[in-house]
Amino acid sequence: DIQMTQSPSSLSASVGDRITITCRASQGISNYLAWFQQKPGKAPKSLIYAASSLQSGVPSRFSGSGSGTDFTLTISSLQPEDFATYYCQQYSGYPRTFGQGTKVEVK
Amino acid sequence: EVQLVESGGGLVQPGGSLRLSCAASGFTFSGYWMSWVRQAPGKGLEWVANIKTEGNEKHHADSVKDRFTISRDNAKNSLFLQMNSLGAEDTAVYYCVRGGWHCDYWGQGTLVTVSS
Repeated sequence: DIQMTQSPSSLSASVGDRITITCRASQGISNYLAWFQQKPGKAPKSLIYAASSLQSGVPSRFSGSGSGTDFTLTISSLQPEDFATYYCQQYSGYPRTFGQGTKVEVK
Repeated sequence: EVQLVESGGGLVQPGGSLRLSCAASGFTFSGYWMSWVRQAPGKGLEWVANIKTEGNEKHHADSVKDRFTISRDNAKNSLFLQMNSLGAEDTAVYYCVRGGWHCDYWGQGTLVTVSS
């Protein structure tokens, strides 16, 4: 199985901050990586696919980069509605696997 | 508007069975792979299974293989998950998701609780 490791597991930030979340795959997955946002009690929401393509309707402050084993999700200027948990997921191989999540909290 | 509405969750005893359904609308259901993803209380996301457009290719996580079966009815725009031999470790919210690679739309989920 391809293991996905996110870091950090949690972070505290303020509105307006630039934050970066890292996701590392245990083997190369090309650009078959997605990022999701989840708020408490809600379904996950797709943000990024193919490592760097923005899902329709997602604000441009979200961006993704990387290829192979190392990937990042960046929020350029954190907004109040961005406090949530973020997950990466690889879809290069089976089983599909998710990172453990990164909780972004208010500082 | 893409809509995915799950149903069929509830309380079931260990060893029991349950069949989840997902009603899809707002897109050409037969043109998309579909998936199930679950989330145990307070835990992260776990991929369960996916199925190709015509239903002739399926993949299941090892944790559910031989117990769960994904299926679809394109004529009824519906996705299903037959769950047998349920155990406490299967307690989770089950999400119906559009896509088998890039998963773009998620339903609101249905809660399955396995307990005596």
